[in-house]
Amino acid sequence: DQQVKQNSPSLSVQEGRISILNCDYTNSMFDYFLWYKKYPAEGPTFLISISSIKDKNEDGRFTVFLNKSAKHLSLHIVPSQPGDSAVYFCAATYSGNTGKLIFGQGTTLQVKP
Amino acid sequence: GAVVSQHPSRVICKSGTSVKIECRSLDFQATTMFWYRQFPKQSLMLMATSNEGSKATYEQGVEKDKFLINHASLTLSTLTVTSAHPEDSSFYICSAAKPNSGEKLFFGSGTQLSVL
Repeated sequence: DQQVKQNSPSLSVQEGRISILNCDYTNSMFDYFLWYKKYPAEGPTFLISISSIKDKNEDGRFTVFLNKSAKHLSLHIVPSQPGDSAVYFCAATYSGNTGKLIFGQGTTLQVKP
Repeated sequence: GAVVSQHPSRVICKSGTSVKIECRSLDFQATTMFWYRQFPKQSLMLMATSNEGSKATYEQGVEKDKFLINHASLTLSTLTVTSAHPEDSSFYICSAAKPNSGEKLFFGSGTQLSVL
């Protein structure tokens, strides 16, 4: 049972354009969501997160949007840079479940110069 | 950001041998650490929760006798893959929750295990 789904395995965008990575979840108990970036043979690094009491969180070029009714979140990167090329994982958890992150399958983003 | 160190980064071993992976929190104390596993092109799957001074909690389907976890101090957790077999070949990643960082986890760099 895949509780967190990233249905697009890959995405390719041109440098300077917007990258939009999508994530869907099924468990209505989830109330905290995170995005991680991962390079091959390395551990994930934290990018940005959002609590279910918000519908948007912004940090520099990265913005995460949450649509609770649709159980959907998205990560926007603008402008995209070649260094953003990596695998992006969304993850979800709920209060009191510290550390038990449920990850999506990941989306490989390629930003072309 | 917080630093979590994982060692070794890569190990190749023969079938039947045991492999130990270390995970250290370098600049904070972690009462709880987590071990994840990632198969190629798949998601990170939580294997177990490592609790300092007590037994680890394993996720459903993870054999506790095969994946031995020891969390002897507030900065060190070890995962030992006992009697490794080729199907255990995977990317193992540890993580830790830093106090006052909410739900955010900090991850080690991972260990690529290849069992021949």
